This record gives sequence, C-alpha cells and structure tokens, in this order.
Amino acid sequence: EPEVTQTPSHQVTQMGQEVILRCVPISNHLYFYWYRQILGQKVEFLVSFYNNEISEKSEIFDDQFSVERPDGSNFTLKIRSTKLEDSAMYFCASSDGYEQYFGPGTRLTVT
Amino acid sequence: SQQGEEDPQALSIQEGENATMNCSYKTSINNLQWYRQNSGRGLVHLILIRSNEREKHSGRLRVTLDTSKKSSSLLITASRAADTASYFCARQYSSASKIIFGSGTRLSIRP
Repeated sequence: EPEVTQTPSHQVTQMGQEVILRCVPISNHLYFYWYRQILGQKVEFLVSFYNNEISEKSEIFDDQFSVERPDGSNFTLKIRSTKLEDSAMYFCASSDGYEQYFGPGTRLTVT
Repeated sequence: SQQGEEDPQALSIQEGENATMNCSYKTSINNLQWYRQNSGRGLVHLILIRSNEREKHSGRLRVTLDTSKKSSSLLITASRAADTASYFCARQYSSASKIIFGSGTRLSIRP
C-alpha cells in the first residue's frame, strides 16, 4: 500500500539554524499539507499546498516558514531560523482530494 | 471557533470492556475522522464518516455521527492492551481542506 514518507525521523538543531524537513507524498496525490504537534498538545495545521502554490496557511506559518515542491516527488518544509518553541513533531500529509494520508512525522528538537 | 471538544480527556478501563469516546463540533462539516496515536508516534487513520452517513464500522470500531447534535462517538468493543493510545477526532469542512484536530482522549486499558 502506498504511504507518505518523511525524513529525517529525528532532527536536532541549534536555535537560529535553518532546517529542512522532507516528505515524499503518495505519487498520484495533488494536495499536500504540513501539520505540527508540540509535545502533549493537539495536532495543528500549518499549511496546505496545491498546484504549486500555498492554498491556505495558519497563523503559525509566519515568514520563518516556507514550503516547496522542488521536483515531482518531494515536498519540503523549511524553517529559516529555528526557535526553541519550534520543537515539535512535524507531520506531512497528502491527499487525492478526499482522505489525507499522514507520514510518520519528524521530531524536531531545537536546543 | 471551529474546534470542538472531546470527552472524556482520559479514560481507563479494564481489558475486554468497551470504550466510548465522544466528540462535538460547532459548525457543519464535510466529514469527521478518527485517528489513533501511540505515545510520541505517528497518526493512524481509523475511520472517516461523511456528513450524510450516520454510522460506520471497521472491525471492533464503530463510529456514529449525529449532525443535528453536531457530535460523534467512537466505540471500541472488547478492548485490548494494544488499544492503549490517544484518540483524536478531526473535522474537515470541505474535501481537500485542512483537518482540524481535537485535543484527544487518552485511553488506558488495564490488564
């Protein structure tokens, strides 16, 4: 069964550093999403992406964040200058317009 | 707010008993989904129920949706130790739109 994959599974970075989280969505999906979950809290929507542009973003998704689909298979989330409060599990999801399929997540730890 | 409430926040039952978790929301939805998350791990999609459906089953899981009361319930029958996890309801207001997660119910199954 096709699945969404994410790399790395765990990333440790220092405050102020840039990080890129990578996702490979399911191959025939056209809608892509990033969510995050701070430890012990609910899953929060960050951004959705369709037809090579952002379709919706939350208040969390400020100028420090960006997304890109650099080729036909990858979907990336970049955080330009990480803060301590960016420490969270980041989930990528993809959809064919109906159900969203989530990846296993990347745990980002900012020290 | 579009976000609803889940109750209870935590539930502890004996193995073999049934577990019921409830979810309410405020505005009309396209569909409602239930996810399971083991501690610190990824999101496992359990069931999606559309707004024109009233009940769905999947193995030991039964989900109901009452759009007049804007509420849903997840029933796990004959619980097992492996069912110990957090369970989230998640609303989608149109197909391909972002998913909005609730705060979840932490389910513990006592042996």
